[in-house]
Amino acid sequence: GNSVTQMEGPVTLSEEAFLTINCTYTATGYPSLFWYVQYPGEGLQLLLKATKADDKGSNKGFEATYRKETTSFHLEKGSVQVSDSAVYFCALSDLVATGNQFYFGTGTSLTVIP
Amino acid sequence: DARVTQTPRHKVTEMGQEVTMRCQPILGHNTVFWYRQTMMQGLELLAYFRNRAPLDDSGMPKDRFSAEMPDATLATLKIQPSEPRDSAVYFCASGFPPGQGSYEQYFGPGTRLTVT
Repeated sequence: GNSVTQMEGPVTLSEEAFLTINCTYTATGYPSLFWYVQYPGEGLQLLLKATKADDKGSNKGFEATYRKETTSFHLEKGSVQVSDSAVYFCALSDLVATGNQFYFGTGTSLTVIP
Repeated sequence: DARVTQTPRHKVTEMGQEVTMRCQPILGHNTVFWYRQTMMQGLELLAYFRNRAPLDDSGMPKDRFSAEMPDATLATLKIQPSEPRDSAVYFCASGFPPGQGSYEQYFGPGTRLTVT
């Protein structure tokens, strides 16, 4: 079946530190992979995506590369800011197998301190 | 800037009362999802519609929850009777049809439900 496993939180970093949030997946087909971000009191927003192996998604300084050989899609940012404090969700969608039903990870809470 | 809208944003009700949550998907989206988010369970898929027809509602307690799409611009999630364990944030999300544009899901701001 389809599932996503992401790094347990919470994660606390100082401003300008390097961020990595690990995400691995299990899929029966050829999924697309996503990172969503949720700020306090808001819904989830798409942060970045990759639709095939070796694609790199990027947005707002965040990057993630679709690694089929390691079934991973780790989120990275070189220098975090206080405004990046949020909960980050890794997700996959296998359009062929399951339509556009999404499978979300449990979320990783990030707090960036000045 | 097209957005998914949800009403009400907050709802406090007493156990046993009926609760109706509404969602307006983005115009042109034909897939609609209802999720529930709690600290303990995280994000759970409750129901999934395509072209107003329910495709999967296996995540929804059938005895008290019901989800419908009366038309393409409105999705509803109803709980009757409500119980304290239903307290959560309920999100609606919508997306394009498969094969038509990018198919990420667009989330609404959520309805925070508290059942006392």
